[in-house]
Amino acid sequence: DTGVSQDPRHKITKRGQNVTFRCDPISEHNRLYWYRQTLGQGPEFLTYFQNEAQLEKSRLLSDRFSAERPKGSFSTLEIQRTEQGDSAMYLCASSLEGLAGGDSYNEQFFGPGTRLTVL
Amino acid sequence: GESVGLHLPTLSVQEGDNSIINCAYSNSASDYFIWYKQESGKGPQFIIDIRSNMDKRQGQRVTVLLNKTVKHLSLQIAATQPGDSAVYFCAATIYNQGGKLIFGQGTELSVKP
Repeated sequence: DTGVSQDPRHKITKRGQNVTFRCDPISEHNRLYWYRQTLGQGPEFLTYFQNEAQLEKSRLLSDRFSAERPKGSFSTLEIQRTEQGDSAMYLCASSLEGLAGGDSYNEQFFGPGTRLTVL
Repeated sequence: GESVGLHLPTLSVQEGDNSIINCAYSNSASDYFIWYKQESGKGPQFIIDIRSNMDKRQGQRVTVLLNKTVKHLSLQIAATQPGDSAVYFCAATIYNQGGKLIFGQGTELSVKP
């Protein structure tokens, strides 16, 4: 257990429905990332937050996707009008930017993911 | 844009042997690299990282080698154990561009007892 939690772990929905996922990062971490992973592939970056500010969005993130981190703690990822191509594992990761000292920096800790199946 | 690739999709080794998993990256500006292990149904788990100002870093039973000249890194696992069976991903990032990770496709490591 990395300390990053995601809810739900699994979601099955019908095409056209809206879904929302939640990520709770490690409490002191100021950066939060969303990735998407399809079967047999590595995770693909979607977006990231520094505190409550969304600083970058991938071109993969269509207008149907929106992410928020209103208080700089937990984050939500909403997909509107889901399509079958949205079926994937949605991963959340958090990190502490500017880790002082040590040999590592920006180590991203991943949650267990939310597996979305769109029928 | 950045791409990260792995040389082999699957690797099978005998328990106790050493494993070497390779990875190539395309963006010479990448300055931080991480190896992750992912077991079925779980999120990626951090194994070891390396900054671009280093060419080798060792952890417990694992070593990462970085060759910036050819944009290549490798993960060496000593005395591979059945519990090491998983998919291994390398990831690259440019730290001052937010730290978003660009992942390779992964190598599935199978350890035969």
